Amino acid sequence: DSGVTQTPKHLITATGQRVTLRCSPRSGDLSVYWYQQSLDQGLQFLIQYYNGEERAKGNILERFSAQQFPDLHSELNLSSLELGDSALYFCASSVGLSGAGNEQFFGPGTRLTVL
Amino acid sequence: QQPVQSPQAVILREGEDAVINCSSSKALYSVHWYRQKHGEAPIFLMILLKGGEQKGHDKISASFNEKKQQSSLYLTASQLSYSGTYFCGTVHYGGSQGNLIFGKGTKLSVKP
Repeated sequence: DSGVTQTPKHLITATGQRVTLRCSPRSGDLSVYWYQQSLDQGLQFLIQYYNGEERAKGNILERFSAQQFPDLHSELNLSSLELGDSALYFCASSVGLSGAGNEQFFGPGTRLTVL
Repeated sequence: QQPVQSPQAVILREGEDAVINCSSSKALYSVHWYRQKHGEAPIFLMILLKGGEQKGHDKISASFNEKKQQSSLYLTASQLSYSGTYFCGTVHYGGSQGNLIFGKGTKLSVKP
């Protein structure tokens, strides 16, 4: 158990719908990262927040948005869902920035299926 | 910008050794290694920083050649539990230095 929690574990929805994925980082971690992993694919970096502020953006679609709240939990919002958005979404946290030598701890993931 | 990993896949017998490589076209600040078993979360293995500092598990060894912008992960006397997909993640100079860019992964299968 990494200490990072994600809810829900599974989500099944229809095309065109909107969903919210939630992540609670490890206690004391200020940085939260979101990744998308499609079937048998690598980890695609979406976005990072550090202490409430957006720090870095990767290949995140305009239909997707995220935020980190004052209590440091984060939410990833996916809207106008398409079949291709079906994937495993991971949240990770670290005490500081990865470049400073801080490892990321990954949550168990949310498996999103869009029908 | 995505690092390139090689090989894409490797099959070993228990007790055999393997090397997984990770190379980047951009100057690297640090390299991070993770292992993921199917359907599970990636777990941290090791960080290699510029200047030679390392942090990680005692039983894992890796190298980081800053000039060549390459890193290698060495798996010796492999066990069945080593099976999984290994990802390198890189932090580049000039970026936010906060996030990792992961390679496509190397799938390792250890057979009895």
